[in-house]
Amino acid sequence: ETGVTQSPTHLIKTRGQQVTLRCSSQSGHNTVSWYQQALGQGPQFIFQYYREEENGRGNFPPRFSGLQFPNYSSELNVNALELDDSALYLCASSPRPTSGVTKNIQYFGAGTRLSVL
Amino acid sequence: RKEVEQDPGPFNVPEGATVAFNCTYSNSASQSFFWYRQDCRKEPKLLMSVYSSGNEDGRFTAQLNRASQYISLLIRDSKLSDSATYLCVVNEDNYGQNFVFGPGTRLSVLP
Repeated sequence: ETGVTQSPTHLIKTRGQQVTLRCSSQSGHNTVSWYQQALGQGPQFIFQYYREEENGRGNFPPRFSGLQFPNYSSELNVNALELDDSALYLCASSPRPTSGVTKNIQYFGAGTRLSVL
Repeated sequence: RKEVEQDPGPFNVPEGATVAFNCTYSNSASQSFFWYRQDCRKEPKLLMSVYSSGNEDGRFTAQLNRASQYISLLIRDSKLSDSATYLCVVNEDNYGQNFVFGPGTRLSVLP
């Protein structure tokens, strides 16, 4: 087990609604990344949070937004849901590397499966 | 051109076979490389990091060729439990931003 927990595990919404997904990072990890994985594809990077600030963003519209809290847990918010937003949403946590560390492995939670009808 | 490309698959191999997966990446500034495995409807899990000198972990061997921007994964003596999708992952910096995943290659090991 990675120690990364996500909630809820499954969610069904309709077009136009808003959704909030939650993630608790592994103990000692201060960086959280969010990914969208459509069926049959690899995960696509949405954004990353480090110390409560966005620290990089992929090619997703502004209706995808996020937060990170002082305890390093995080939320992903999606407004105005579209059918194409149906996917597995994955959260990954990682420690912020210090000088001399060259690998920054990310550990994934089990994901939230979102269906938009 | 996609940033990370992999063999399209699926690969169907008998138990005990040796199978190799290939991956190419487009950003020559990429710093870190990984193979993750993903079981059906589960999250990706780290299989192994890939080092410039190549590295081995039991039946698994990973190779990196920076000049050709190519990564490989070799699985020897395949087991039924190796059946999964194998994801090639490239990280463009050392500070965790922008893990870029390939589309994955699905492996089925048959009895």
